[in-house]
Amino acid sequence: DTGVSQNPRHKITKRGQNVTFRCDPISEHNRLYWYRQTLGQGPEFLTYFQNEAQLEKSRLLSDRFSAERPKGSFSTLEIQRTEQGDSAMYLCASSLVGRGPEAQYFGPGTRLTVL
Amino acid sequence: GNSVTQMEGPVTLSEEAFLTINCTYTATGYPSLFWYVQYPGEGLQLLLKATKADDKGSNKGFEATYRKETTSFHLEKGSVQVSDSAVYFCAPLSGFQKLVFGTGTRLLVSP
Repeated sequence: DTGVSQNPRHKITKRGQNVTFRCDPISEHNRLYWYRQTLGQGPEFLTYFQNEAQLEKSRLLSDRFSAERPKGSFSTLEIQRTEQGDSAMYLCASSLVGRGPEAQYFGPGTRLTVL
Repeated sequence: GNSVTQMEGPVTLSEEAFLTINCTYTATGYPSLFWYVQYPGEGLQLLLKATKADDKGSNKGFEATYRKETTSFHLEKGSVQVSDSAVYFCAPLSGFQKLVFGTGTRLLVSP
């Protein structure tokens, strides 16, 4: 399977704990995106990378959130001191950007539940 | 920034009925437009796209035409199946970077 993969698929944690999610994009894709989706809503953009550079962060991404893509391949999203409001599906997507806009391909998501 | 408005669901149809899901957007410039589908318990899948005015995207019997004059990208299918039951998202691409999603439209197809 050469699609976008995310791990873990589900994470249950207690309020105040730190969590880290991993995303492996489609191998030749140079852009990687993180979105968050809450129940009954569409995904909301959080941040994106082009290769290893983080180029944009949404205002939704508070200082408790940090994302990295150290070698321009996989990415991690860490949430420190989790809050119940962080409960959501965290989606990763990747795309190959060359001469024009290209479609983003999504992974299955990591569902976070903060108790 | 970009925004999108989709018709509220659920849209309930019988198998083989004609489907239209309306989508209008506001945007700076002329964004690429996408439809994504989310089946129960699964992630988002790209359904179709259009990158410029009057382009028609199509896939699996679904079609949508980029209408610049009405800033619309309505999704249509001539004959729906039970397996098409899902949530459909229209999304313009903002600044060649991020997708802007609406709340989605749930489609329920009964046999």
